[in-house]
Amino acid sequence: QVQLQESGPGLVKPSETLSLTCTVSGGSINHYYWSWIRQPPGSGLEWIGYIYYSGSTNYNPSLKSRVTISIDTSKNQFSLRLSSVTAADTAVYYCARHFREGAPYFDYWGQGTLVTVSS
Amino acid sequence: EIVMTQSPATLSVSPGERATLSCRASQSISSNLAWYQQKPGQAPRLLIYGASTRATGIAARFSGGGSGTEFTLIISSLQSEDFAVYYCQQYNNWPYTFGQGTKLEIK
Repeated sequence: QVQLQESGPGLVKPSETLSLTCTVSGGSINHYYWSWIRQPPGSGLEWIGYIYYSGSTNYNPSLKSRVTISIDTSKNQFSLRLSSVTAADTAVYYCARHFREGAPYFDYWGQGTLVTVSS
Repeated sequence: EIVMTQSPATLSVSPGERATLSCRASQSISSNLAWYQQKPGQAPRLLIYGASTRATGIAARFSGGGSGTEFTLIISSLQSEDFAVYYCQQYNNWPYTFGQGTKLEIK
């Protein structure tokens, strides 16, 4: 059974960089697309961006100037960096696997990790 | 960006009854729509993709329909575990977007 686990600091100061890692277990990171999605408290879901195991990426234009997603296939991990954070970036951050190539909906999700932006 | 609008925001239904949730896209998305269920403190769970195909392990009481700009999720006979928030998601145009959710609550 594929499992995803987010890890990283739960508190980030304004103007700093948020960094999270998603570790994939129970399956290979190869040959799949992987996404980061976030959910502000009490709100809906926002797609941040995705990465293919080859390293190609696509970012939400609303965040593109601040987002970097990377992948380390040797560790079965992919990562998110979001720079210049503000309180508006406070959210539960999820990592998720695309169903298959050409099917950008998610069959496996991490449990989510709350990141709070505050001084 | 395609805007997904779900209605109603909250739906109150009694167990055993039928629930109909709606999702509208701001432009045509063909059948490139997925539905998710989210319970408090949990990640969303994939229910439906391709507008009408149930994901693996999803009960037959969940059914999806529609194409173009109008979509529905029907839960034919509500069980206690079905009371949750439901989201639609379009994957026709990047950036892929979600609706704001419909909260299904016990009447």
